[in-house]
Amino acid sequence: QLQLQESGPGLVKPSETLSLTCTVSGGYVSSSSIYWGWIRQPPGKGLEWIGSVYYSGSPYQNPSLGSRVTISMDTSKNQFFLRLTSVTAADTAMYYCARHPNRYFFDYWGQGALVAVSS
Amino acid sequence: QSALTQPASVSGSPGQSITISCTGTNNDVGRYNLVSWYQQHPGKAPKLIISEVTKRPSGVSNRFSGSKSGNTASLTISGFLAEDEADYYCCSYAGRTTVFGGGTKVTVL
Repeated sequence: QLQLQESGPGLVKPSETLSLTCTVSGGYVSSSSIYWGWIRQPPGKGLEWIGSVYYSGSPYQNPSLGSRVTISMDTSKNQFFLRLTSVTAADTAMYYCARHPNRYFFDYWGQGALVAVSS
Repeated sequence: QSALTQPASVSGSPGQSITISCTGTNNDVGRYNLVSWYQQHPGKAPKLIISEVTKRPSGVSNRFSGSKSGNTASLTISGFLAEDEADYYCCSYAGRTTVFGGGTKVTVL
């Protein structure tokens, strides 16, 4: 059974960089046609797609986040990563990683990692 | 890319059918048959219940069904149960991006 698990600091200071890791078990991040995505959800609000990465090729990213976002992958560790720079309180959210086949839908989700931005 | 438009809330009585709409544009919902729907209970991760407009993943109740007409997709819950009370989100492939709806809170009357 495929499982995803987010990990990273739960508290980040304003203007610093948020870094999260998603570890995949029961499957391979290098699988053909399978993208791997990040989605976030501010407290009490809706879902926002951040971006999705494939084991070969450039990631797709939400244009609204601009150059603050970097999504990458380490196939040897079966992990993919999210890096968000210059964070503000507006980046406080539950961050989910998920499998994104062909970028059509998200079928397996991690349990989420709550990240607060505060000094 | 703007979020897809969903009603903020919908209510239903047990046994009733309820429908949630999801309105996009010619660049997302209207262009691709790649709308998906997610159910989210409080404190839980979203769960895929409909993919590619009408497909139901294994294990999802056949009380959930999806459809699309033009720029609007719809999720119908037939025989509404108290356990269906949750937030529901639509999502569409949009070429280089992916866009979610704002979410609909479904409550039992």
